[in-house]
Amino acid sequence: EDQVTQSPEALRLQEGESSSLNCSYTVSGLRGLFWYRQDPGKGPEFLFTLYSAGEEKEKERLKATLTKKESFLHITAPKPEDSATYLCAVQARGRRDDKIIFGKGTRLHILP
Amino acid sequence: DSGVTQTPKHLITATGQRVTLRCSPRSGDLSVYWYQQSLDQGLQFLIQYYNGEERAKGNILERFSAQQFPDLHSELNLSSLELGDSALYFCASSVTPGWDQPQHFGDGTRLSIL
Repeated sequence: EDQVTQSPEALRLQEGESSSLNCSYTVSGLRGLFWYRQDPGKGPEFLFTLYSAGEEKEKERLKATLTKKESFLHITAPKPEDSATYLCAVQARGRRDDKIIFGKGTRLHILP
Repeated sequence: DSGVTQTPKHLITATGQRVTLRCSPRSGDLSVYWYQQSLDQGLQFLIQYYNGEERAKGNILERFSAQQFPDLHSELNLSSLELGDSALYFCASSVTPGWDQPQHFGDGTRLSIL
């Protein structure tokens, strides 16, 4: 069964304390992996798309990487405004159509 | 602001009732997606429309239906509502229908079934 698992479920960091969020996936055929940020009471906001192992994307303090089994979202020197839930989603090959599967997210809290 | 508008923001109703959620996509976007987000299931894809036609189906129940109108706005109809249908319902839009396109999400409709 296709599955996307994010860890940890929640993470508290001090401002400036770098860390990584993990998204591991088991799917029949990976087409793409997406990272989104979701603030409370808001819809998810697109961050990155990764297509193949070894690919990396960066945006400000965030860097996303992809291997054949997992993706990492590295946060360097985070600030309180980086506090949010980070969602990972995988586009996978289905029997007839492609499908998209979301992980349950990592709630990140950056303390000032 | 993503440019995607969802109404209403909140909806409270009873079991057995029927409701309609509305979504206006970002200007220029032809594809609309509907998602359900609950605490235990996370974000689940329901259905996608592209330029008025159904494009892809996910975990959408038979009690739920959707359509996209000529002006590209979309409606999600939920009927015979059950307590378990309480959730946040998101609409997203993109320019083209491919899953690799960034999707722009609205702020959701919170549906509470009493």
